[in-house]
Amino acid sequence: AQKVTQAQTEISVVEKEDVTLDCVYETRDTTYYLFWYKQPPSGELVFLIRRNSFDEQNEISGRYSWNFQKSTSSFNFTITASQVVDSAVYFCALSEFTGTASKLTFGTGTRLQVTL
Amino acid sequence: DTEVTQTPKHLVMGMTNKKSLKCEQHMGHRAMYWYKQKAKKPPELMFVYSYEKLSINESVPSRFSPECPNSSLLNLHLHALQPEDSALYLCASSQYPGQGTTGELFFGEGSRLTVL
Repeated sequence: AQKVTQAQTEISVVEKEDVTLDCVYETRDTTYYLFWYKQPPSGELVFLIRRNSFDEQNEISGRYSWNFQKSTSSFNFTITASQVVDSAVYFCALSEFTGTASKLTFGTGTRLQVTL
Repeated sequence: DTEVTQTPKHLVMGMTNKKSLKCEQHMGHRAMYWYKQKAKKPPELMFVYSYEKLSINESVPSRFSPECPNSSLLNLHLHALQPEDSALYLCASSQYPGQGTTGELFFGEGSRLTVL
């Protein structure tokens, strides 16, 4: 069975601080995809990034960066110079392909609060 | 703006009512999903439709009845619900995994349901 663990329940930082959200996963599949989603108070889950199991290259997109390490089954997410608008719940997810659709297993989420 | 549109955004219903949640996407995606999210919990998969056929039912009670009239629309019919069914119901869609895509899900803003 697939499992995603986000050990940090809530994180509070002051604006402009860097913050890293941890994600650890378990799967027996050799091919899989990992995702990060952001859920602001409005409720919509906003797709941030995907990473496939064959691509361990780290990625940077503006203030966001992701560190994928297969050896430790981790896919961590760093926000540099955090802003109040980054306040949200962040979910890490692992996909399992069922043939014609993606079945996502979500972690329990990390609530990030950025204050002035 | 999200490309997955859900209506209504809020719904209050009694335990004897019959209501429906609606979801629409025009991205040409052939997989559509219903997720249920309780407060401070991750989304939980309920149903998956692939090419307008029900492909996954995660042992959801029969008081929830999904329907996919065409490739752009997904409904969730509600009847004889219980107060514990109060939650945010999220609709999502994805492309067929493979064929150069990774099957990430695009979510709507959700329908917040309260059962009295």
